[in-house]
Amino acid sequence: DADVTQTPRNRITKTGKRIMLECSQTKGHDRMYWYRQDPGLGLRLIYYSFDVKDINKGEISDGYSVSRQAQAKFSLSLESAIPNQTALYFCATSDQNRDSGKEQFFGPGTRLTVL
Amino acid sequence: RKEVEQDPGPFNVPEGATVAFNCTYSNSASQSFFWYRQDCRKEPKLLMSVYSSGNEDGRFTAQLNRASQYISLLIRDSKLSDSATYLCVVISSGSARQLTFGSGTQLTVLP
Repeated sequence: DADVTQTPRNRITKTGKRIMLECSQTKGHDRMYWYRQDPGLGLRLIYYSFDVKDINKGEISDGYSVSRQAQAKFSLSLESAIPNQTALYFCATSDQNRDSGKEQFFGPGTRLTVL
Repeated sequence: RKEVEQDPGPFNVPEGATVAFNCTYSNSASQSFFWYRQDCRKEPKLLMSVYSSGNEDGRFTAQLNRASQYISLLIRDSKLSDSATYLCVVISSGSARQLTFGSGTQLTVLP
């Protein structure tokens, strides 16, 4: 079984709809991240969380919100989706106690299309 | 200017060839450096860390040049299975220790 899972894997929605992307991990890591990937732009950090009570904005947080429901779960919400949020979204985890959390482990990604 | 820049390629090389990718970073306070590999439509995975003294893992060699602020990845004896996008990743100083990703270099190894 995968250590980092994301649901849904693919989603097509319409402008203005509320969307939630979910991430779960069985690695026991304390840190979790949400990225989006666009062609030619690489991965950009949206939000990150170092533990359940810690939420931080990343490079491109506008239009997104997150919830860290438990150490193993980190959800990303688009309150009112717009077409330029069409992208591939990745969740990642890292372990602070392992080499200072340098390596991140990614989920399989969610391909979101906003029409 | 992007914080981490890579030549997007694509690099198309025959099997057995040696290929090298470079990556430049703008923040001189950057502390840690990595190469990640991403297969088509898959998630990125750590390929190797990059150390100041240079490091090798089988056919892969990574180098860091702090003075010129670039890192490199050399792949010798390319295999078909090396076809992927290679992402340069940098951690800058600061409490967040966030990873900053380059946009990736696409490699296709041809039979």
